[in-house]
Amino acid sequence: DVVMTQSPLSLPVTLGQPASISCRSSQSLVYSDGNTYLNWFQQRPGQSPRRLIYKVSNRDSGVPDRFSGSGSGTDFTLKISRVEAEDVGVYYCMQGTHWSLTFGGGTKVEIK
Amino acid sequence: EVQLLESGGGLVQPGGSLRLSCAASGFTFSSYVMSWVRQAPGEGLEWVSAIRGSGGSTYYADSYYADSVKGRFTISRDNSKNTLYLQMNSLRAEDTAVYYCARGARELHYWGQGALVTVSS
Repeated sequence: DVVMTQSPLSLPVTLGQPASISCRSSQSLVYSDGNTYLNWFQQRPGQSPRRLIYKVSNRDSGVPDRFSGSGSGTDFTLKISRVEAEDVGVYYCMQGTHWSLTFGGGTKVEIK
Repeated sequence: EVQLLESGGGLVQPGGSLRLSCAASGFTFSSYVMSWVRQAPGEGLEWVSAIRGSGGSTYYADSYYADSVKGRFTISRDNSKNTLYLQMNSLRAEDTAVYYCARGARELHYWGQGALVTVSS
């Protein structure tokens, strides 16, 4: 299975400051159709996961534009330009290119 | 509005069985691959299984399973009832988790609220 490695494990951030989460895959996530199926999810405390970003950099409807995704091949990043209180939670990357689908271990974003 | 509502969770003894259901609404259910994802208490997310819709697809077999549940869990769907199922047999303590159904597989777009399955004697 493709291993997804996220860092850091925990990310204390000051309100209004930027945050960045890294996700690396053990194999290239470029699929035969040319797409790269790398997704980012947010899970707020006590809630179901919510997709923020799909195919590396496409933001879902209703997701604030302070969230952005980038990367290619095996190296990906989720950035929050200015962290707000509602951004507290755990963030997961997930690859959908190779079966079995796999998630990163998660990054807990908290306010300093 | 897309809605996914899981049911059927509960307490079961090791070695027992349980069937989860996921009622879908707000979209053409038969057109979409559907997945189950689980989350053990205090842990991360683990994809469990996926099943394609009724239409043909060039890159999905009928169903896929994580190695951890292969041979014990069976995913199925009833497109006439807009419902996804997960039959879980030979349950183990390590299967204890909240089970989410989600629309899609390569891009898990919408998620349900989850159903808690506890395997304990």
